[in-house]
Amino acid sequence: AQRVTQPEKLLSVFKGAPVELKCNYSYSGSPELFWYVQYSRQRLQLLLRHISRESIKGFTADLNKGETSFHLKKPFAQEEDSAMYYCALSGFRSSNTGKLIFGQGTTLQVKP
Amino acid sequence: DTEVTQTPKHLVMGMTNKKSLKCEQHMGHRAMYWYKQKAKKPPELMFVYSYEKLSINESVPSRFSPECPNSSLLNLHLHALQPEDSALYLCASSQDRTSGHTDTQYFGPGTRLTVL
Repeated sequence: AQRVTQPEKLLSVFKGAPVELKCNYSYSGSPELFWYVQYSRQRLQLLLRHISRESIKGFTADLNKGETSFHLKKPFAQEEDSAMYYCALSGFRSSNTGKLIFGQGTTLQVKP
Repeated sequence: DTEVTQTPKHLVMGMTNKKSLKCEQHMGHRAMYWYKQKAKKPPELMFVYSYEKLSINESVPSRFSPECPNSSLLNLHLHALQPEDSALYLCASSQDRTSGHTDTQYFGPGTRLTVL
């Protein structure tokens, strides 16, 4: 079965502290993994995807196929990083209308 | 125009009403999606249109009826809804290229629906 697990509902850190939001997935085949972010009163937007290997707003994520993980990391959290973060898996193989399977989300709270 | 727009922002309807949600994009995307999102939960896929044809229906009840009149517009017609259908309804679009990796989905701000 295709599944995305984000074990933490809430992650609270102080400004300047390192952040790691965990994501594990279950999928048979070659997965495509994404991190989406939803800031307060804003639309859901793509933060990064594993194939681009970019760093966006200081966040990075590495796909670890052995551990079936795609954890999101940032070395120094900022208050403006406070938001809901969703890990998502694309599980539709025969076209690019990717069916996104979302994890339950982790709320990141960065305290001053 | 690089955004997905949705109207209305808020909608309150009775269980006997008929209403429609609208979604529009002018990015040349050929795939459009409807998601339902309950409070503090992730979005759940309802429908996918690819090149104006329905390609995925996630076993959604028939009281929700999608329509894609052209490549820029996506509607969701609502009839005889239940209070448990109250949620944020999100529209998204993507390029739908014929090969390569999964396209990025761009989301609208959503319509907050309340069924009384």
